[in-house]
This record gives sequence, C-alpha cells and structure tokens, in this order.
Amino acid sequence: QAPLQQWGAGLLKSSETLSLTCAVYDGSFSGYYWSWIRQFPGRGLEWIGEISQSGDTNYNSFLTSRVTISTDKSKNQFSLRLNSVTAADTAVYYCARGRGGDGYFFDLWGRGSLVTVSS
Amino acid sequence: DIQMTQSPSTLSASVGDKVTITCRASQSISGWLAWYQQKPGEAPKLLIYQASTLESGVPSRFSGSGSGTEFTLTISCLQPDDFATYYCQQYNTYSTFGPGTKVEV
Repeated sequence: QAPLQQWGAGLLKSSETLSLTCAVYDGSFSGYYWSWIRQFPGRGLEWIGEISQSGDTNYNSFLTSRVTISTDKSKNQFSLRLNSVTAADTAVYYCARGRGGDGYFFDLWGRGSLVTVSS
Repeated sequence: DIQMTQSPSTLSASVGDKVTITCRASQSISGWLAWYQQKPGEAPKLLIYQASTLESGVPSRFSGSGSGTEFTLTISCLQPDDFATYYCQQYNTYSTFGPGTKVEV
C-alpha cells in the first residue's frame, strides 16, 4: 500500500470548490507537517500550504483567501479545499510530507490528482 | 516572497557526462535548499536537502553545493535513469520551487 493515498473530484466548473483528501498509511502522521503542492501543465510547481498534526496551518500568500487545509487525526488524513476555482487552478495536486525543522523539504509524495477546471 | 531561478532550462547530455545545474535565490536562503528529480507521470523524488546532504538511497553520483543565493546540483556520470527534470526548492521561508531543468539526450 502506498504510504500516501489521495483522492478527490477531478473535474470542476469555474466557481466550484476543489476538495482533495490525503491519507497517511505509514504511521508517520504525528510529528510532521503535511503539505499540498500543485504542478501546472508544462512544469511549474507551487506550494499551496501546510498543516501540522495538531492543526497549525501556513498558506501561500497568493492563495490564502481561497484555501483551507484541515486534518482528521483520528483517520490520519488531511484535506485541501480551494474555493472559487478558475481554469488557472487546473493542475496536478500532490500531497506531501514535510521534513526538516523551521522549514520543510518533501520526502514523501502522493501519486498526484489531476484537477481540471472548465469554464 | 523568495523567487527561484534555474539554468539552463534544458540541457542536452549523453550517458557518462558530468552535468551541472544552477539554482539561484532572489535573497539569501542560507543552506535551506533541496533538489528533486521528476520523471513524466511521477511525483518529484527528493535527492538532496540542506544544499548538500544526500537523501538515503540516492546514488552518490548526485551531489549538491552552495549557500546563500547560488547552488549547484552535479551528476558526476550521467546514467540512462537520470534523464529527467530537476527542480530546486527553497525552504528558508515557507517553500518556493525553481522552474525546472530538463536533462535530455
């Protein structure tokens, strides 16, 4: 079983809400920060935000008005909600484990979820 | 926000070549830099963190150096499995990725 498994709706219309969930299956949920990262068609990677197992969050300043990351500790899961999506939000969305100290690099990634927003 | 650039954008190389990729930050990030390898259809894979520390299981032909605003990733002897896109990431202040360098035949 893959250590990070993610799921959610893959096709949205403009103005709808993107919702993805990531489950952690390798027993490492506590003690790490958990992030969502997206990759736009053509290459670029963008960090969306992060959450600790205790619920502390940090968000990319460009998205903070539209994004919410939450956690369900009982299920070792964390989720992403992105409101009012547009075609510019079309991307592959990854969940990832952050390792480090004050800042985090990502040593474990989900397989990615393609989200397409149509107008 | 800290911006990251990489050069070159694309690099043509052959098996056995020594390859060097440069990553620059818009302000000092000390040594808080990671490198990733990504192949088509896959998630990025962590190669190096803290500018020069090799992640467990990563071949020793990969190495990283630098501090402050300029960093390099070197592949000492390119192998067929190394043709991929490489990204740097600063984690001094939240996280920002570079635009990537594609290593192709």
